[in-house]
Amino acid sequence: AQKITQTQPGMFVQEKEAVTLDCTYDTSDPSYGLFWYKQPSSGEMIFLIYQGSYDQQNATEGRYSLNFQKARKSANLVISASQLGDSAMYFCAMREGRGSQGNLIFGKGTKLSVKP
Amino acid sequence: DTGVSQDPRHKITKRGQNVTFRCDPISEHNRLYWYRQTLGQGPEFLTYFQNEAQLEKSRLLSDRFSAERPKGSFSTLEIQRTEQGDSAMYLCASSPDRTQGYTFGSGTRLTVV
Repeated sequence: AQKITQTQPGMFVQEKEAVTLDCTYDTSDPSYGLFWYKQPSSGEMIFLIYQGSYDQQNATEGRYSLNFQKARKSANLVISASQLGDSAMYFCAMREGRGSQGNLIFGKGTKLSVKP
Repeated sequence: DTGVSQDPRHKITKRGQNVTFRCDPISEHNRLYWYRQTLGQGPEFLTYFQNEAQLEKSRLLSDRFSAERPKGSFSTLEIQRTEQGDSAMYLCASSPDRTQGYTFGSGTRLTVV
């Protein structure tokens, strides 16, 4: 079974509008961390935001916020006021707690295109 | 320290040749990870080092792959007798400990022709 599912292969958004990128995860571990990364065409993975499974509040980092719904096992990324430079691949990833050396499990990604 | 460096950025090799990639992590990070990313997929974990010890290897790491991290500093990933299926982006990441975030390098894009 997929541990990280990103159901949107591609998304379009108008510049200056908000967009939500979906991510669901599957784990039986009570302790885990969820990450979002941006990967432009240059290839590097850029860290955006992190949510710990015990965090009470949704994480926010500037224009990025994470809509964490633990019971539904979803961790959607919300980008507000989209910019042309936000066009990239976006990956959701999970780090499990017990029995893990800390490696990340990634989804297949969502390609975001921002239209002027 | 400006981040995680990977060298080379691009490598084209003929099938059957050996290739070696290098990763220089952030100096104070004792954890180092290698990932492979094929077209249209997310990165997949290959192997993990804590200091100089290789503590975990994915089933993706066949016998043709070997990784080292001498002295717990830079790491190398070698692929022997390359195959076309090895064509991918190879990403390195480092982290100070298990609970902290990861910094990725820009990757080495391998093309086997």
